[in-house]
Amino acid sequence: GAVVSQHPSWVICKSGTSVKIECRSLDFQATTMFWYRQFPKQSLMLMATSNEGSKATYEQGVEKDKFLINHASLTLSTLTVTSAHPEDSSFYICSARDPGGTSYNEQFFGPGTRLTVL
Amino acid sequence: EDKVVQSPLSLVVHEGDTVTLNCSYEVTNFRSLLWYKQEKKAPTFLFMLTSSGIEKKSGRLSSILDKKELFSILNITATQTGDSAIYLCAAGGSNYKLTFGKGTLLTVNP
Repeated sequence: GAVVSQHPSWVICKSGTSVKIECRSLDFQATTMFWYRQFPKQSLMLMATSNEGSKATYEQGVEKDKFLINHASLTLSTLTVTSAHPEDSSFYICSARDPGGTSYNEQFFGPGTRLTVL
Repeated sequence: EDKVVQSPLSLVVHEGDTVTLNCSYEVTNFRSLLWYKQEKKAPTFLFMLTSSGIEKKSGRLSSILDKKELFSILNITATQTGDSAIYLCAAGGSNYKLTFGKGTLLTVNP
Protein backbone atom coordinates (compact mmCIF):
# COMPACT_ATOMS: atom_id res chain seq x y z
CA GLY A 1 0.00 0.00 0.00
CA ALA A 2 0.91 3.65 -0.29
CA VAL A 3 3.28 4.81 2.44
CA VAL A 4 3.83 8.33 3.68
CA SER A 5 6.60 9.25 6.07
CA GLN A 6 7.15 12.34 8.18
CA HIS A 7 10.28 13.68 9.77
CA PRO A 8 10.91 14.41 12.53
CA SER A 9 8.38 12.46 14.58
CA TRP A 10 8.79 14.90 17.43
CA VAL A 11 10.62 18.18 17.92
CA ILE A 12 11.14 20.58 20.79
CA CYS A 13 12.25 24.11 20.04
CA LYS A 14 12.63 27.48 21.69
CA SER A 15 10.14 30.25 21.12
CA GLY A 16 11.09 32.40 18.14
CA THR A 17 12.88 29.70 16.18
CA SER A 18 11.70 28.08 12.96
CA VAL A 19 10.98 24.40 12.53
CA LYS A 20 10.78 22.43 9.29
CA ILE A 21 8.70 19.26 8.97
CA GLU A 22 9.10 16.96 5.97
CA CYS A 23 6.44 14.78 4.42
CA ARG A 24 7.45 12.16 1.86
CA SER A 25 5.48 9.73 -0.26
CA LEU A 26 7.68 6.66 -0.39
CA ASP A 27 6.22 4.51 -3.13
CA PHE A 28 4.12 6.84 -5.23
CA GLN A 29 4.23 10.31 -6.69
CA ALA A 30 1.95 12.70 -4.88
CA THR A 31 0.84 15.71 -6.88
CA THR A 32 -1.30 16.80 -3.94
CA MET A 33 -0.45 16.71 -0.26
CA PHE A 34 -2.34 18.06 2.72
CA TRP A 35 -1.21 19.49 6.04
CA TYR A 36 -3.37 19.12 9.13
CA ARG A 37 -3.03 20.28 12.71
CA GLN A 38 -4.55 18.51 15.66
CA PHE A 39 -4.77 19.96 19.18
CA PRO A 40 -5.26 17.59 22.13
CA LYS A 41 -8.66 15.92 22.14
CA GLN A 42 -9.68 17.77 19.01
CA SER A 43 -10.12 16.74 15.42
CA LEU A 44 -7.86 17.20 12.43
CA MET A 45 -8.04 20.69 11.03
CA LEU A 46 -6.92 21.15 7.45
CA MET A 47 -4.33 23.89 7.24
CA ALA A 48 -3.46 23.87 3.58
CA THR A 49 -3.40 21.91 0.36
CA SER A 50 0.03 21.58 -1.19
CA ASN A 51 0.28 21.16 -4.95
CA GLU A 52 3.52 20.16 -6.61
CA GLY A 53 5.05 23.02 -8.53
CA SER A 54 2.57 25.66 -7.43
CA LYS A 55 1.62 27.70 -4.40
CA ALA A 56 -0.20 26.07 -1.54
CA THR A 57 -3.85 26.83 -0.91
CA TYR A 58 -4.40 27.84 2.70
CA GLU A 59 -7.60 27.40 4.66
CA GLN A 60 -9.30 30.40 6.15
CA GLY A 61 -7.59 31.63 9.30
CA VAL A 62 -4.24 29.97 8.59
CA GLU A 63 -1.38 32.47 8.24
CA LYS A 64 0.54 31.63 5.11
CA ASP A 65 3.55 33.72 6.18
CA LYS A 66 3.79 31.76 9.42
CA PHE A 67 3.25 28.30 7.98
CA LEU A 68 5.38 28.09 4.86
CA ILE A 69 4.64 25.17 2.59
CA ASN A 70 6.89 24.01 -0.22
CA HIS A 71 6.08 21.13 -2.55
CA ALA A 72 9.14 21.14 -4.73
CA SER A 73 9.00 17.55 -5.92
CA LEU A 74 6.42 14.84 -6.47
CA THR A 75 7.50 13.01 -3.34
CA LEU A 76 8.29 15.77 -0.87
CA SER A 77 6.35 18.56 0.79
CA THR A 78 7.70 20.62 3.67
CA LEU A 79 5.96 22.70 6.31
CA THR A 80 8.03 25.36 8.05
CA VAL A 81 6.63 26.91 11.20
CA THR A 82 8.34 30.29 11.34
CA SER A 83 8.99 32.15 14.58
CA ALA A 84 7.27 29.44 16.54
CA HIS A 85 5.45 30.27 19.77
CA PRO A 86 4.05 28.03 22.49
CA GLU A 87 0.55 28.28 21.00
CA ASP A 88 1.92 26.58 17.86
CA SER A 89 2.59 23.45 19.89
CA SER A 90 0.47 20.77 18.30
CA PHE A 91 0.42 17.51 16.38
CA TYR A 92 1.04 18.16 12.68
CA ILE A 93 -0.03 15.47 10.23
CA CYS A 94 0.48 15.34 6.50
CA SER A 95 -1.32 13.22 3.97
CA ALA A 96 -0.84 12.54 0.31
CA ARG A 97 -3.08 11.71 -2.55
CA ASP A 98 -2.02 9.02 -5.01
CA PRO A 99 -3.15 10.23 -8.46
CA GLY A 100 -2.90 6.67 -9.67
CA GLY A 101 -5.37 5.50 -7.04
CA THR A 102 -8.97 4.66 -7.74
CA SER A 103 -10.63 6.73 -5.03
CA TYR A 104 -11.00 10.48 -5.46
CA ASN A 105 -10.83 11.43 -1.79
CA GLU A 106 -8.50 8.74 -0.51
CA GLN A 107 -5.55 10.16 1.40
CA PHE A 108 -2.62 8.32 2.92
CA PHE A 109 -1.53 9.75 6.24
CA GLY A 110 1.93 10.18 7.63
CA PRO A 111 2.63 9.24 11.26
CA GLY A 112 2.56 12.84 12.43
CA THR A 113 5.02 15.23 14.06
CA ARG A 114 4.57 16.43 17.60
CA LEU A 115 5.87 19.98 17.98
CA THR A 116 6.50 21.46 21.39
CA VAL A 117 7.55 25.10 21.58
CA LEU A 118 9.06 26.18 24.89
CA GLU B 1 -19.00 26.05 4.86
CA ASP B 2 -18.52 22.29 4.85
CA LYS B 3 -19.43 20.63 8.13
CA VAL B 4 -19.23 17.15 9.67
CA VAL B 5 -20.87 16.41 13.01
CA GLN B 6 -20.23 13.27 14.99
CA SER B 7 -22.15 11.91 17.95
CA PRO B 8 -21.72 11.01 20.66
CA LEU B 9 -18.48 12.84 21.40
CA SER B 10 -17.54 10.20 23.93
CA LEU B 11 -18.81 6.80 24.90
CA VAL B 12 -17.87 4.32 27.63
CA VAL B 13 -18.94 0.70 27.28
CA HIS B 14 -18.06 -2.73 28.62
CA GLU B 15 -16.35 -5.42 26.63
CA GLY B 16 -18.83 -7.34 24.53
CA ASP B 17 -21.20 -4.42 24.05
CA THR B 18 -22.26 -3.22 20.60
CA VAL B 19 -21.80 0.45 19.76
CA THR B 20 -23.12 2.70 17.02
CA LEU B 21 -21.29 5.87 16.10
CA ASN B 22 -23.04 8.57 14.11
CA CYS B 23 -21.83 11.01 11.50
CA SER B 24 -23.81 13.65 9.64
CA TYR B 25 -22.39 15.87 6.96
CA GLU B 26 -22.99 18.91 4.82
CA VAL B 27 -20.36 19.09 2.13
CA THR B 28 -20.44 20.82 -1.20
CA ASN B 29 -19.89 18.43 -4.10
CA PHE B 30 -19.89 15.43 -1.78
CA ARG B 31 -18.06 12.42 -3.13
CA SER B 32 -17.33 10.00 -0.31
CA LEU B 33 -17.52 9.38 3.43
CA LEU B 34 -14.53 7.94 5.25
CA TRP B 35 -14.07 6.46 8.71
CA TYR B 36 -10.75 6.39 10.53
CA LYS B 37 -9.52 5.02 13.84
CA GLN B 38 -6.98 7.09 15.74
CA GLU B 39 -4.99 5.86 18.69
CA LYS B 40 -1.75 7.55 19.63
CA LYS B 41 -0.62 8.68 16.21
CA ALA B 42 -2.09 9.45 12.82
CA PRO B 43 -5.47 8.05 11.76
CA THR B 44 -5.70 4.61 10.25
CA PHE B 45 -8.20 3.98 7.50
CA LEU B 46 -11.29 1.89 8.17
CA PHE B 47 -13.86 2.42 5.44
CA MET B 48 -14.68 4.55 2.44
CA LEU B 49 -18.34 4.78 1.41
CA THR B 50 -19.58 6.25 -1.81
CA SER B 51 -22.93 4.55 -2.42
CA SER B 52 -26.06 4.71 -0.32
CA GLY B 53 -27.38 1.63 1.38
CA ILE B 54 -24.46 -0.68 0.76
CA GLU B 55 -22.96 -1.94 3.98
CA LYS B 56 -19.24 -2.37 4.22
CA LYS B 57 -17.88 -4.88 6.72
CA SER B 58 -14.52 -5.68 8.17
CA GLY B 59 -14.59 -8.20 10.98
CA ARG B 60 -16.63 -6.76 13.83
CA LEU B 61 -16.86 -3.34 12.20
CA SER B 62 -19.42 -2.29 9.66
CA SER B 63 -20.57 0.97 8.16
CA ILE B 64 -23.31 2.28 5.93
CA LEU B 65 -24.06 5.56 4.18
CA ASP B 66 -27.37 7.32 3.57
CA LYS B 67 -26.84 10.00 0.93
CA LYS B 68 -30.42 11.16 1.05
CA GLU B 69 -30.35 11.90 4.79
CA LEU B 70 -26.63 12.85 4.71
CA PHE B 71 -25.40 10.57 7.42
CA SER B 72 -23.38 7.47 8.10
CA ILE B 73 -23.06 5.06 11.00
CA LEU B 74 -20.20 2.91 12.18
CA ASN B 75 -21.10 -0.20 14.12
CA ILE B 76 -18.75 -2.19 16.29
CA THR B 77 -20.04 -5.48 17.68
CA ALA B 78 -18.59 -7.50 20.55
CA THR B 79 -16.32 -4.63 21.52
CA GLN B 80 -12.86 -5.31 22.90
CA THR B 81 -10.50 -3.13 24.93
CA GLY B 82 -8.37 -2.77 21.81
CA ASP B 83 -11.24 -0.93 20.15
CA SER B 84 -10.67 1.99 22.53
CA ALA B 85 -9.71 4.92 20.33
CA ILE B 86 -11.00 8.06 18.70
CA TYR B 87 -13.13 7.30 15.66
CA LEU B 88 -13.06 10.03 13.05
CA CYS B 89 -15.54 10.58 10.27
CA ALA B 90 -14.51 12.61 7.24
CA ALA B 91 -16.52 13.78 4.25
CA GLY B 92 -14.76 14.17 0.93
CA GLY B 93 -15.67 16.99 -1.39
CA SER B 94 -14.12 18.77 -4.31
CA ASN B 95 -10.40 19.51 -4.68
CA TYR B 96 -9.74 16.14 -3.01
CA LYS B 97 -10.32 17.74 0.40
CA LEU B 98 -11.55 15.96 3.52
CA THR B 99 -13.54 17.67 6.23
CA PHE B 100 -13.24 15.89 9.56
CA GLY B 101 -15.69 15.70 12.41
CA LYS B 102 -14.55 16.15 16.00
CA GLY B 103 -14.46 12.43 16.55
CA THR B 104 -16.01 10.02 19.02
CA LEU B 105 -13.81 8.92 21.92
CA LEU B 106 -14.68 5.29 22.60
CA THR B 107 -13.53 3.68 25.82
CA VAL B 108 -14.09 -0.05 26.23
CA ASN B 109 -13.68 -1.26 29.80
CA PRO B 110 -12.86 -4.89 30.61
